[in-house]
This record gives sequence, C-alpha cells and structure tokens, in this order.
Amino acid sequence: EAGVVQSPRYKIIEKKQPVAFWCNPISGHNTLYWYLQNLGQGPELLIRYENEEAVDDSQLPKDRFSAERLKGVDSTLKIQPAELGDSAVYLCASSLGVWGTSNEQFFGPGTRLTVL
Amino acid sequence: TQLLEQSPQFLSIQEGENLTVYCNSSSVFSSLQWYRQEPGEGPVLLVTVVTGGEVKKLKRLTFQFGDARKDSSLHITAAQPGDTGLYLCAVASGTYKYIFGTGTRLKVLA
Repeated sequence: EAGVVQSPRYKIIEKKQPVAFWCNPISGHNTLYWYLQNLGQGPELLIRYENEEAVDDSQLPKDRFSAERLKGVDSTLKIQPAELGDSAVYLCASSLGVWGTSNEQFFGPGTRLTVL
Repeated sequence: TQLLEQSPQFLSIQEGENLTVYCNSSSVFSSLQWYRQEPGEGPVLLVTVVTGGEVKKLKRLTFQFGDARKDSSLHITAAQPGDTGLYLCAVASGTYKYIFGTGTRLKVLA
C-alpha cells in the first residue's frame, strides 16, 4: 500500500511569490495534518483536518497561509506571498483518526521550500 | 516555554557504543511517542508508551516512560550506523494532536 505522497519534493522560489504543496494521504485515513519543520527541530502543527473539516488551525498564519481538503481526501497548502522565514520542510501526515482505534501518524517525505 | 525538552541536542558516537537520550517536561501526559527521522524523510513511529514506569523494547532500543509520566528515555545498545537520524519524542495534547520535542540528532560513526 502506498504511503503518504507529497509533491513537489523540493521548491525554490523568490520572496513574495506564491507556492503550493500537495498531499495525498493513505487511503482510508480520515485525519490529515500539515506540519512545518525547521532545520534540526521537531515538527510544528499548522493545521489538522478531520475529513474535510479543519478542526485545528490555531497555528496557521492565516494572513499568508491557506489550506484546503475539499473532498476529504487530498489536501493543498498554499503560501501567498512567501517570505524568507518560510524556508523550511513542510510535512504532511495522516492517521485513521476518529473512526479508527489507532492514532499513529504516518508521515510523507515532506516538501523542502527555499525562499530566496 | 518549550513543552518538551530533549537532550542531548547532538550526539556523535562510534559504532558499538551505548547511548541514552532523554525527553523531559514539567507536565503530565497520557501517552508519549518516539519517532526516528532520517534525512530527506518524514518521521517514523518507533513506539508509544502509555503507562507510568512502562518499559518497551524494540530490538536494540529500550524505551522507558517515567513513573510520573513526565519524562521518557530511549537507550540504544551497540549502536550501528543505521541508527543515525533525528530522534523525536511527541506527546498527546488533546485528541489526535501531538506536540513534538526539540529532537536529538544522532550520528553513529563506522
């Protein structure tokens, strides 16, 4: 079975440009997470979805970041406009969530963003 | 205020040596997870501990949850180069939400 898929793996953009990241979770996983990970640090939650509903977006900088999971399956995270400080790895994870007995998160490989 | 402090921050050892890394907090948690993350990959769950004083073993890795459920340790016996990576602890904050620690970056030299 395929794991969590993310694309692109790497992205280099100029500051003030927009950028979007895509995530396809493991089939059947209701919960989807977007994390930001700075170099050498632990992941920090940006937003969590239960199906298509964003149940926790308190850490998402809403002035420039947005996310969607329209059909409760794949998800897109967007930054517009990007700033130098947004350079980081953006990780997507999924879990069975509310309807499952396991709360194990499965992570994708991440998208490494460099803002110049 | 950092919820979870991990120590040491960096560790470089020779193959065959033993090591212990720690995850500490002033708060009590219902469960704690340990992950390993290799370069260019996402974290992979190693273990979940839920009972104070619990000890779990995974081959050469031994995980312990503190009696008061505020801290945890990970001990690796006879480290191998394949153990190299970023070790992260994470604790449950609410339902299906985890907060990650600062991480310990381990390098095992052949």
